[in-house]
Amino acid sequence: QSVLTQPPSVSGAPGQRVTISCTGSSSNIGARYDVHWYQQLPGTAPKLLIYGNSNRPSWVPDRFSGSKSGTSATLAITGLQAEDEANYYCQSYDSSLSGVLFGGGTELTVL
Amino acid sequence: QVQLVESGGGVVQPGRSLRLSCAASGFTFSNYAMHWVRQAPGKGLEWVAVISYDGSNKYYADSVKGRLTISRDNSKNTLYLQMNSLTTEDTAVYYCARGPPMGFGELLYSFDYWGQGTLVTVSS
Repeated sequence: QSVLTQPPSVSGAPGQRVTISCTGSSSNIGARYDVHWYQQLPGTAPKLLIYGNSNRPSWVPDRFSGSKSGTSATLAITGLQAEDEANYYCQSYDSSLSGVLFGGGTELTVL
Repeated sequence: QVQLVESGGGVVQPGRSLRLSCAASGFTFSNYAMHWVRQAPGKGLEWVAVISYDGSNKYYADSVKGRLTISRDNSKNTLYLQMNSLTTEDTAVYYCARGPPMGFGELLYSFDYWGQGTLVTVSS
């Protein structure tokens, strides 16, 4: 069971906005450790989507954005496209475990 | 361009050993921390271990401590994962991923490049 909790699934129609939450605790997100997000398309390796809570690598379109507040972080995707169908994972550091944590993952379905 | 290529996966019996390799190219390997992350079939991502740019620091997930060992050879631009006393719980695709450059905490930053993964199946 992940210490970072994500909804198992979310869905949206093309063009809509969806958000994916990542809820942690005082030993990880709440302790001001950065949150990072990854996209994993079916049958492929994960790809970095957001780093340092809200920063996008050069290869990521600005439809993707990240934010953090308190013990939670959020990934937002606007202008939803069919190719956004994937699993999304959040990641942070946990001081109690002294290790890296991944959320359980969220499957995004584009209706 | 940055490239990470894992190898060494396969089918192995419980209790046996296996060594995975990750060949890096397209960047100065010796300047970066490196991670192993695994994904059991149909499951999410699980961080396994990280090694600092020079190999002086190593950190492990509790689930693998004492059985899996991360190492690197900077002269060969290669990362390794020695896996001993394997159990069926170790069945997964193993990815290597690039961590932060030297001078930054190995555990705090994102993994900006990933390999394609190598499948390890532990079965009798």
